[in-house]
Amino acid sequence: NAGVTQTPKFRVLKTGQSMTLLCAQDMNHEYMYWYRQDPGMGLRLIHYSVGEGTTAKGEVPDGYNVSRLKKQNFLLGLESAAPSQTSVYFCASSWGLGNEIFGPGTRLTVL
Amino acid sequence: AQSVTQLDSHVSVSEGTPVLLRCNYSSSYSPSLFWYVQHPNKGLQLLLKYTSAATLVKGINGFEAEFKKSETSFHLTKPSAHMSDAAEYFCVVRSGDMRFGAGTRLTVKP
Repeated sequence: NAGVTQTPKFRVLKTGQSMTLLCAQDMNHEYMYWYRQDPGMGLRLIHYSVGEGTTAKGEVPDGYNVSRLKKQNFLLGLESAAPSQTSVYFCASSWGLGNEIFGPGTRLTVL
Repeated sequence: AQSVTQLDSHVSVSEGTPVLLRCNYSSSYSPSLFWYVQHPNKGLQLLLKYTSAATLVKGINGFEAEFKKSETSFHLTKPSAHMSDAAEYFCVVRSGDMRFGAGTRLTVKP
């Protein structure tokens, strides 16, 4: 049981490049989430999903897209990266509200 | 609308002394409240949660928190700090989606 895993752990992009972050969970959770963590701001919700094939916007969705084609995977895409997207990204999953299990994070730097 | 304010960005205590991390919240509805801990370069781990049952909630590693509706507070305490408690702590309110506080960095001095 690996829990929540994130790929990659680190990435450096140039402005305008695109990339996809992968989140995978093996706990059969319905809910999955993407957060970003910036100094002094805690975590902010980007997008979330309440089940396979569904996605919804969170607090800071602009510049990101997501997909949940399989229940166990939740992808976060950056189509044209900007320096303001330099952050640590955390994925989480849960059975229901308030029982989130977090992944180890992905540190992204956009130059 | 909901929000959470962690009143201290940094708290420093000596090993063996009590810990108090303060959190105030704002919510239109009866909220669920959580405390998470994040050790350096690690993900977040749930310490405890309040979901409208007992107002005094016990968590892992000797931490506990008391929900006080009249004060809209959910302060985190521990009677005796240990070196391994040094980390960043986040208070979170949920009434719909989750809103995180900015975090409190706890330093424990030998």
